[in-house]
Amino acid sequence: EAQVTQNPRYLITVTGKKLTVTCSQNMNHEYMSWYRQDPGLGLRQIYYSMNVEVTDKGDVPEGYKVSRKEKRNFPLILESPSPNQTSLYFCASSFEGTGSYEQYFGPGTRLTVT
Amino acid sequence: QQQVKQSPQSLIVQKGGISIINCAYENTAFDYFPWYQQFPGKGPALLIAIRPDVSEKKEGRFTISFNKSAKQFSLHIMDSQPGDSATYFCAASMLFPGTASKLTFGTGTRLQVTL
Repeated sequence: EAQVTQNPRYLITVTGKKLTVTCSQNMNHEYMSWYRQDPGLGLRQIYYSMNVEVTDKGDVPEGYKVSRKEKRNFPLILESPSPNQTSLYFCASSFEGTGSYEQYFGPGTRLTVT
Repeated sequence: QQQVKQSPQSLIVQKGGISIINCAYENTAFDYFPWYQQFPGKGPALLIAIRPDVSEKKEGRFTISFNKSAKQFSLHIMDSQPGDSATYFCAASMLFPGTASKLTFGTGTRLQVTL
């Protein structure tokens, strides 16, 4: 089954404790993105990647890091989480070709930073 | 700076009615306008999308209307059903290579279809 998986689905942590949210896709997509969803603000792009070792900042990159060492994986790293990073996070992947630009989203990771 | 403005924030429609959600954009370089549907506890999923070379696109009960001069586009859901109850996001991006994935989303509309 074609899908984007994220782990963990739920995470409660404390301020300053480094964490990683993993994202993996099995569709051989070149493009992958991370978004955060907050009430009243919609979805905002954090980082995106156009291929292995190629990443670029989205609209809200502060406080986050990403890496793309393999095509299928795109982890999101919070080196020193703060309460304002409490949010619902989505990973997405896409393939730009044959007129299709659909992004496939994972199930989400709900992060609480206390 | 909100580059894609979406309204209303919430919408209640009776079964069988028409649901209308509006979006306006500022960046004239945008040339791809998708709508995503999100059910509670799930990630968003592509519903329908339009390019600015057409003024309307219809897929089943869902229609996008696009007004390039006004920089506005809207989603119409005909014969709304309780199963359409979800949050809807409009979005926009450019279609240079590598930029279609750089989506700018609206703030979302929570639609409730009542019996």
